[in-house]
This record gives sequence, structure tokens and C-alpha cells, in this order.
Amino acid sequence: GESVGLHLPTLSVQEGDNSIINCAYSNSASDYFIWYKQESGKGPQFIIDIRSNMDKRQGQRVTVLLNKTVKHLSLQIAATQPGDSAVYFCAENPHNTGNQFYFGTGTSLTVIP
Amino acid sequence: DTEVTQTPKHLVMGMTNKKSLKCEQHMGHRAMYWYKQKAKKPPELMFVYSYEKLSINESVPSRFSPECPNSSLLNLHLHALQPEDSALYLCASSQVDPGLGPQHFGDGTRLSIL
Repeated sequence: GESVGLHLPTLSVQEGDNSIINCAYSNSASDYFIWYKQESGKGPQFIIDIRSNMDKRQGQRVTVLLNKTVKHLSLQIAATQPGDSAVYFCAENPHNTGNQFYFGTGTSLTVIP
Repeated sequence: DTEVTQTPKHLVMGMTNKKSLKCEQHMGHRAMYWYKQKAKKPPELMFVYSYEKLSINESVPSRFSPECPNSSLLNLHLHALQPEDSALYLCASSQVDPGLGPQHFGDGTRLSIL
């Protein structure tokens, strides 16, 4: 399944399928990007990050892709599991703003067993 | 368990009360943050402390007063809040140079204003 982030805030996928969550960022000066997972009643949990000198980074079952040309970030989750159900946020840090991080609107992922 | 601890987990207060939210981290981070999060919305930055000094205030009303007494602690003092201030308040910490790593969040304080 695939979302377009800002335009489709919910995504439902079957267990075992791959998920793709998208995020369009606004500031061309952003050079550090983070994906967070937020479960109900919890704070955001770090998943994976990427810097602007890379276009792909892989973690355990997750991959982040960065396309600076169109200012687009995506999170791919392989073999989605029920425990992956949560809201996913991307966050960007413009290099000229110090510690300011700006969050996208978020995508709610529901995994259907 | 998160490495950033926030207390209390829940707080109900009247509009005339004074209360404080507390946050503690022992990761050696010298940047600490307060965010406000409404239901089904992303976290909104309120304040940033770098090396225990306030570096960013995102035009937050003065009824919210942050304090960073040392490198491990961050407080948010609340006074004369409004019902629209009901939200989840998140604390985070990180290296001062954001390129050195992500922010780590606590699980928040759920605040309800009567």
C-alpha cells in the first residue's frame, strides 16, 4: 500500500505486504530528515534518519528514500506487521535554523491481520 | 521505556491554577525542547533550550513559562491556562548540533484544562 502523506492521511495494508508512506517537505534548505512512529498514548519514536548527502538509507525492515529535486521523502516498511500500526511523521531540519525541527502532517497506518 | 521521562503523565487543572510539567534526561544531551500536540495533529514546537539557555520561543503565550535549571532537567510552568491549551505536551532532547542525531521524545503529559 502507498500514501501520499499530506493528501491521504490514512493508509491500510494487509499484514505481510509492503507499505510506503510519503512526505513532501517544503524547505529546500533542509538537510536532515527523520521518520518517527507514534503509537497511541506514546511519544514519537525514532525510526530512521537521512542526511541530504544521501538518497537512500536502510534499516531493519525500513528504507528511507530522499528525492531533493522534488523535495520528497518516503518511508518503506517491508513485510508490514500489526505492530507497525501507528501514526508516522516525517520531520525536517533546515540547516540554517539550528535546532528547529518541522513535522509533516502525519500518516495513520493500519495493518489488517 | 523511553530515555526521556516526563511527569506527571496526566494533569487536570482549572484556569486559575498554577502547575508545572517536568522533564528529565540522562543522555548528556544539551538541547531540550517542549512541543504541544493536539489530537490527530503533528507536534508543534514551543521552546528550545541550548546549553541551558532559551534559544527559540515560537511566539508562545506568556502563560507558558519554561525553565531549564540544569542540563538534565526541563520544566514548563503553567498559569491561567485556557481550555484550548488542553493537549499532549511533549519533551524532547538531542545533541545541540541537529546533524549529530535525532531528537528523543518522552511519552508526554496529557493536560486537560477545565
